[in-house]
Amino acid sequence: QQQVKQSPQSLIVQKGGISIINCAYENTAFDYFPWYQQFPGKGPALLIAIRPDVSEKKEGRFTISFNKSAKQFSLHIMDSQPGDSATYFCAASFRTYTGRRALTFGSGTRLQVQP
Amino acid sequence: NAGVTQTPKFRVLKTGQSMTLLCAQDMNHEYMYWYRQDPGMGLRLIHYSVGEGTTAKGEVPDGYNVSRLKKQNFLLGLESAAPSQTSVYFCASSNLGTSTDTQYFGPGTRLTVL
Repeated sequence: QQQVKQSPQSLIVQKGGISIINCAYENTAFDYFPWYQQFPGKGPALLIAIRPDVSEKKEGRFTISFNKSAKQFSLHIMDSQPGDSATYFCAASFRTYTGRRALTFGSGTRLQVQP
Repeated sequence: NAGVTQTPKFRVLKTGQSMTLLCAQDMNHEYMYWYRQDPGMGLRLIHYSVGEGTTAKGEVPDGYNVSRLKKQNFLLGLESAAPSQTSVYFCASSNLGTSTDTQYFGPGTRLTVL
């Protein structure tokens, strides 16, 4: 059973358009929500992250919107570029009693930005 | 500074064979992780380690063993490979004590079990 549900599975966007990827969670213990970006043949890398005490975080063309009451968060990529073509994973984590952050990933969204 | 490296990059095994995947990190991180990535499943945690000499089970540990004899290395073993273990395996590491514990991933090992 996946603790973080991600949609859509794949997304095709024209260059300059807005890409939107959505995630939902159930576990209210989650207190940190990162997004990872993975290019073909590479490992995932942290893109942007948010804590639930804010509703939005923006870094350049990438924005996370967070709705705590609905237990949903989304990634918006403005002015999407072909170089943004990658697989995007949302994730959620909480700190365990040992101090380690337990991280759970969504199923991933393959984004293709067409020139 | 190489970050997280994984050996080998590709491997084909026959059912029942064994192998060891090696992960090395040069960031002096305390935590290390092994994930498997399957289509439509995201990344699932196999085993992890919170320090040299310690290991613990993750979400999907069956059929795998791990060892962390040195802080910089984390080994993943398959004693008797099965076709269900065909996957891409990622190692990651993170630092103890940061507020976010960002995980840094290696480039992955693509394993096919025939």
